[in-house]
This record gives sequence, structure tokens and C-alpha cells, in this order.
Amino acid sequence: EAGVAQSPRYKIIEKRQSVAFWCNPISGHATLYWYQQILGQGPKLLIQFQNNGVVDDSQLPKDRFSAERLKGVDSTLKIQPAKLEDSAVYLCASSLGGGARDTQYFGPGTRLTVL
Amino acid sequence: GNSVTQMEGPVTLSEEAFLTINCTYTATGYPSLFWYVQYPGEGLQLLLKATKADDKGSNKGFEATYRKETTSFHLEKGSVQVSDSAVYFCALTTSGGSYIPTFGRGTSLIVHP
Repeated sequence: EAGVAQSPRYKIIEKRQSVAFWCNPISGHATLYWYQQILGQGPKLLIQFQNNGVVDDSQLPKDRFSAERLKGVDSTLKIQPAKLEDSAVYLCASSLGGGARDTQYFGPGTRLTVL
Repeated sequence: GNSVTQMEGPVTLSEEAFLTINCTYTATGYPSLFWYVQYPGEGLQLLLKATKADDKGSNKGFEATYRKETTSFHLEKGSVQVSDSAVYFCALTTSGGSYIPTFGRGTSLIVHP
């Protein structure tokens, strides 16, 4: 079974530039999560999708971050414009149903450096 | 809101030593509790979980018991190996109240031969 795919693996940009990350979840998984993991901290949920719809985006900085899930499968996360404090690893995860007991399966992450 | 507190790392042990990594939580609703592990150069993966009070999760020689009375989910292993060197994350999700999955900051484990 193929795992969660993410690209790119690394990205370096200057502040005020824009950047986009892509995620392809495990086939058949209804729920997709985007996390931000700053060095030395645990993952922080940015947004959660169930199929096409947003379940929670309360921790997404909506003035600069946006995300969409195309046809309930792939997802993109965009930052525009980037700030220095956005330097982090962006993790995508998926789960079969999205219930509280479900296991999340994580991708390898995208390491973003903002200069 | 929900929160997870893990002991600070790094934890450094010799091979075959006993391991405990402490995790305590605060939560609204009825949390499910998880330990995820991140090996060097890899993504997070589930190590074990427990979904109700007094449940014990176990995998690869690791164990953790869901203690509602002390709001804890400490990770233990009787004899660690060099291959256990990784970062361990305690996490929770709730089925009532705030659903947002919440992770601790991670504890790095280094096992020497």
C-alpha cells in the first residue's frame, strides 16, 4: 500500500514570496490533515478536511495561508506572502474515517526555510 | 482547550536499559491517546494507542496504559535497543468538545550500544 506522498521535500524562499505544497493521501482515506511543525515542537494542526469539506481550520492563519482539497483526494497548502516565522516542516497526514480513534498516517514532510 | 505535556529530552540510555517517557494531558470530552514515533529521516508513524480508560496499548515491546485518574499515558519499554533511537510524540484526540488532534513537543531517545 502506497503511503502519503508530499512534494517538494525541501523549499527555500525569501520572505514575502509565495509557496505551495502538495499532498496525495493514502487511497480511500476520507480525512486529510495539514500540520506545521516548528523545530523543537510537536505538530500543530492547521486544517482538517473530510472528503471535500473543511472540518476544522481554526488554527490556520487565514490572512496568508490557504488550502484546498481537490475532488476529495489531493490537497495543496499555500502560503502568500511568507514570513520568517513560517520556517517549519509542513506535514500532511490522512486517516480512513477521521474519527477520534483513527490512526493518522503521515507523509515525509516538506521542510520550508524562509530567508 | 486540550494539551499534552511530555518530559523534556534528550533521554540517553544504554542498550537493554529500562525506558519511561512521561506524558500527561488535559482534555475536554473523552480522549483517545496515541504514541507516535519518528525515526531519523522518516515520517511520524503510530507506535501504539489506547481509546478508553484503563486500556493498555502495546507494540514492539513498548507499552502505555491510559490512566484517567492521573491523566497520564506514560510510555515504557523493558529493554531498549539502539534501533529504538528516535523522537517519540504523545498525542490525543477527543470525540467530544474540541476535536483538534493535539501533540506533545516530542522526546528524543538516544540509545548507546
